[in-house]
Amino acid sequence: AQTVTQSQPEMSVQEAETVTLSCTYDTSESNYYLFWYKQPPSRQMILVIRQEAYKQQNATENRFSVNFQKAAKSFSLKISDSQLGDTAMYFCAFMKVSGTYKYIFGTGTRLKVLA
Amino acid sequence: DGGITQSPKYLFRKEGQNVTLSCEQNLNHDAMYWYRQDPGQGLRLIYYSQIVNDFQKGDIAEGYSVSREKKESFPLTVTSAQKNPTAFYLCASTVDRGHTEAFFGQGTRLTVV
Repeated sequence: AQTVTQSQPEMSVQEAETVTLSCTYDTSESNYYLFWYKQPPSRQMILVIRQEAYKQQNATENRFSVNFQKAAKSFSLKISDSQLGDTAMYFCAFMKVSGTYKYIFGTGTRLKVLA
Repeated sequence: DGGITQSPKYLFRKEGQNVTLSCEQNLNHDAMYWYRQDPGQGLRLIYYSQIVNDFQKGDIAEGYSVSREKKESFPLTVTSAQKNPTAFYLCASTVDRGHTEAFFGQGTRLTVV
């Protein structure tokens, strides 16, 4: 069975600074996707970034980038130039590319950006 | 605008009652999902449906039931058999089971009184 672990329940960062959120996962699959979802205070979940396991290049989306270490089963999210609107709960998620295509979510990291 | 609509936003249930949470999408997505969110536990999958008239149990299906009679609708019933139903419930959809980006509704907060 797959598991996703987020070991940082809460973090804070000063506005305009950079912060890294950690995620590790466990799987025997070779082909899968990894995701970071954001849940702001409105509680609407939004996809931040997606990484295909077969791609060695780390995904980037504007101020958001990942450090994907497949051998170490690590998938961290870096937020550059943090903004107040980045304050949210961030969930790391895993999906294997076969069978049921279900998401497996981590327990989340609550990020607060300080003015 | 296309999206997923969950209703109601807040729901109160008395002990022993069944309640139904609504989830409607106009994205023409084949696959729909129900998740339960509790503090410190992330999102856990209750049920999912990849096509109309078919659905599968997720990891915590006990005490819940669903139907998928129409492509755009996937209601969740929380039955009296669910011992601890107070939680935040999220509905999601994907284009089909092979597409990875999930679109979420805004959730329903269920409280047992």
